[in-house]
Amino acid sequence: DSGVTQTPKHLITATGQRVTLRCSPRSGDLSVYWYQQSLDQGLQFLIHYYNGEERAKGNILERFSAQQFPDLHSELNLSSLELGDSALYFCASSVTSRAGEKLFFGSGTQLSVL
Amino acid sequence: GQSLEQPSEVTAVEGAIVQINCTYQTSGFYGLSWYQQHDGGAPTFLSYNALDGLEETGRFSSFLSRSDSYGYLLLQELQMKDSASYFCAVPNQAGTALIFGKGTTLSVSS
Repeated sequence: DSGVTQTPKHLITATGQRVTLRCSPRSGDLSVYWYQQSLDQGLQFLIHYYNGEERAKGNILERFSAQQFPDLHSELNLSSLELGDSALYFCASSVTSRAGEKLFFGSGTQLSVL
Repeated sequence: GQSLEQPSEVTAVEGAIVQINCTYQTSGFYGLSWYQQHDGGAPTFLSYNALDGLEETGRFSSFLSRSDSYGYLLLQELQMKDSASYFCAVPNQAGTALIFGKGTTLSVSS
């Protein structure tokens, strides 16, 4: 158990809908990262928050947004969902935002868009 | 930007040694990390090399050559439970995110 909690574990929804994925980092960790993993795409970096502030953006679609709250949990909002958004979404946390620092991953949210 | 190349699949038998290579291109280099992911599970950290040379942790070792932009993960005394995907990763240019390769699927047979 990494100490990072993601909910829900599974989400099934329809095209055009909006969903929210939630992540609670390990106690004491200030950084939260979001990754998308599709079958043949590996782990695609989406966005990084550090202590409530956005630190880095990757290949995140405009339909997607995220935020980190004062209690450090984070939410990833996916809207106008398309079939291609079906993927495993991971969040990861680390103590600081230092490059190369060990990341602790949650167990992921499996999103299926039908 | 960053790019990482690693083989898509590697197969080996129990007890053998396998090496998974990773070459990278990045504007600023902070170090090379390795993660393991079992099917459907969460990626877990294996190692991080910031300097050239070999780092050993039990049956796993990781090597880095910054001049060659190359590293590898060496797995010894392979066990069935080592069957998983292995990802190399480097920070982005600003050092604010970890960018992963597409992963190498290791299959260990008896």
